[in-house]
Amino acid sequence: DTGVSQDPRHKITKRGQNVTFRCDPISEHNRLYWYRQTLGQGPEFLTYFQNEAQLEKSRLLSDRFSAERPKGSFSTLEIQRTEQGDSAMYLCASSPRVVYQETQYFGPGTRLLVL
Amino acid sequence: TQLLEQSPQFLSIQEGENLTVYCNSSSVFSSLQWYRQEPGEGPVLLVTVVTGGEVKKLKRLTFQFGDARKDSSLHITAAQPGDTGLYLCAGTDRGSTLGRLYFGRGTQLTVWP
Repeated sequence: DTGVSQDPRHKITKRGQNVTFRCDPISEHNRLYWYRQTLGQGPEFLTYFQNEAQLEKSRLLSDRFSAERPKGSFSTLEIQRTEQGDSAMYLCASSPRVVYQETQYFGPGTRLLVL
Repeated sequence: TQLLEQSPQFLSIQEGENLTVYCNSSSVFSSLQWYRQEPGEGPVLLVTVVTGGEVKKLKRLTFQFGDARKDSSLHITAAQPGDTGLYLCAGTDRGSTLGRLYFGRGTQLTVWP
């Protein structure tokens, strides 16, 4: 396994369009996270899955955002009616379940530009 | 308000110099990770520290976790141009069982040949 993969790597869309991103975690990692990173900032937590269950959502995740992880494998993040403020790098990470050591491994990210 | 404060925000040095970057918080963390990020890429894990006072070495990089598990430092010896990148620290809140990471804003390091 070569690590966390994300698709697409880049996405340019017009304001108001819907976009969907995919994340494939490291095999057998049961935890999957989505983060968003804007220029000059560190990544900010969006949501978290343990297997197929979405256990936590940040207040950053407005109603226009939805994430799924069917069958506890890959995950998708959809943004509906995109806004220019959604332009950012969307990062996915996965981790094994190790008590007291939440090491997360990140994918290369999907860079979104909303025109 | 950032849970983790990193300093300095920018650092520009010549090849061969030593440097230290800091990651500070008023919160206690169960673990803390350091990542390096290149432009347009995701963060790449460098190290995870778990025990207060722990020191880990990765070639020319030395990481230390504070005794109280509220702060950490990264020291680079004899920096090289390949060390250029954004260094991010991230911690897991001790009170959280869900494992989300809280990131600092990062230190942008540039090493000139």
